[in-house]
Amino acid sequence: GEDVEQSLFLSVREGDSSVINCTYTDSSSTYLYWYKQEPGAGLQLLTYIFSNMDMKQDQRLTVLLNKKDKHLSLRIADTQTGDSAIYFCAETPVYNQGGKLIFGQGTELSVKP
Amino acid sequence: DVKVTQSSRYLVKRTGEKVFLECVQDMDHENMFWYRQDPGLGLRLIYFSYDVKMKEKGDIPEGYSVSREKKERFSLILESASTNQTSMYLCASRGGSGGRNEQFFGPGTRLTVL
Repeated sequence: GEDVEQSLFLSVREGDSSVINCTYTDSSSTYLYWYKQEPGAGLQLLTYIFSNMDMKQDQRLTVLLNKKDKHLSLRIADTQTGDSAIYFCAETPVYNQGGKLIFGQGTELSVKP
Repeated sequence: DVKVTQSSRYLVKRTGEKVFLECVQDMDHENMFWYRQDPGLGLRLIYFSYDVKMKEKGDIPEGYSVSREKKERFSLILESASTNQTSMYLCASRGGSGGRNEQFFGPGTRLTVL
């Protein structure tokens, strides 16, 4: 079945770049997503990339997609303490029943001043 | 502003109790979802609904049931709560089908079963 894998923790210093990685198994996914969960809150869509794209940039965020290796990454430039959160990678299975999403385990990003 | 609300932020129940978790969305969305979130496991789909009175099992439906009598409300029911159902429960909703799949999440209910 489908599977999405992420490392669980990442720690960076304020001002550095953060790179959060994700691998997925369903090569038919049309969209891949990054969701952010701040402490005590639900998830919020941060950004997404369509499967025919290699890269998408949105202000401090850069998403890279390597379809051959089924690898997705999220780069946050100039990381701030307010970026501390859990980041989830997600894909939409090809059969997409009702818009089902498959989530990774989440990467907890800790930003140290 | 889009909004998904959940009836409780924190809930403590005893083993064997029947537990209701309520979720309401104000976006007229067709699709609604219940997930549980556990450390190291991410979000796992329990049930979802694509229309009123319609429901589909997700990946971990055992021990849970759902009800969707009105479009805006999706309830998760634990018929007889057990300690292994202690978790964070997240509700989400989504409009339409196909295309970009943005799900809107509620703040979560942290359920503890003693």
